[in-house]
Amino acid sequence: DAGVTQSPTHLIKTRGQQVTLRCSPKSGHDTVSWYQQALGQGPQFIFQYYEEEERQRGNFPDRFSGHQFPNYSSELNVNALLLGDSALYLCASSLQTSGSYTDTQYFGPGTRLTVL
Amino acid sequence: GDSVTQMEGPVTLSEEAFLTINCTYTATGYPSLFWYVQYPGEGLQLLLKATKADDKGSNKGFEATYRKETTSFHLEKGSVQVSDSAVYFCALTTFTGGGNKLTFGTGTQLKVEL
Repeated sequence: DAGVTQSPTHLIKTRGQQVTLRCSPKSGHDTVSWYQQALGQGPQFIFQYYEEEERQRGNFPDRFSGHQFPNYSSELNVNALLLGDSALYLCASSLQTSGSYTDTQYFGPGTRLTVL
Repeated sequence: GDSVTQMEGPVTLSEEAFLTINCTYTATGYPSLFWYVQYPGEGLQLLLKATKADDKGSNKGFEATYRKETTSFHLEKGSVQVSDSAVYFCALTTFTGGGNKLTFGTGTQLKVEL
C-alpha cells in the first residue's frame, strides 16, 4: 500500500522565480492538505483540497496557490519566491468521511525548498 | 483561534528513563488531538490520537490521555530507547471553515542516550 509521495525531494531556486511541488495521496484517500515547516518550527497549514476545490486556507498570501486533479493528486505553486519561503513543504492526505474532522492526516516525506 | 503549546526542548534522557512531554491547547470547538513524530530528514508520522474527552491514545509504548478539564494531552512513555530520539509534535484539529486543518505546536526534540 503506497503512502503519500512527494516530488521533488529537494529544490533550489532564486528569488523571484516560481516553483511547483507535487503530491500523490495515499491509496484510497481523496483529500490533500499542504503545510510549510520552517526550520525548527511546527508545520503551518497552507490549504486543503477536496473534490478538486480549495475548501480551507491558512494565513498565506495569494502567491501560494494549488490544484487538485481528478486522480486526487495535487500541486502547490509558489510565485515570486522570497528568501523566507525556504522551508520543508509537507503534503498530507486523508479520507473524507461524512465531514468528520477526526479524519487522520498522513504525511509525505516533504520537499525541501531553498531560495537563494 | 486554535493554538497548541508544548514544553520546550531539547529533552535529554538516558535509555529506559520515563518520558513526559507536556502539551496544552486552546480550541474554539471540540478538537481531536494528535501526537506526530518526525525523525531526522523525514516527514511526520502519526504516533497516536484521541477524539474525545478521557480517550487514551496509545502506540509503540507511548500513551496520551485527552483531558478536557485541563485542556491537556501529555505524551508519556515508561521506558525510552535510543531509537525514540526524534522531534515530537502535538497537534489538534477542529472542523471549522469546511475543512479539518491541523494546528501544531512548535515541537519538542527528544534525545535518548545510552
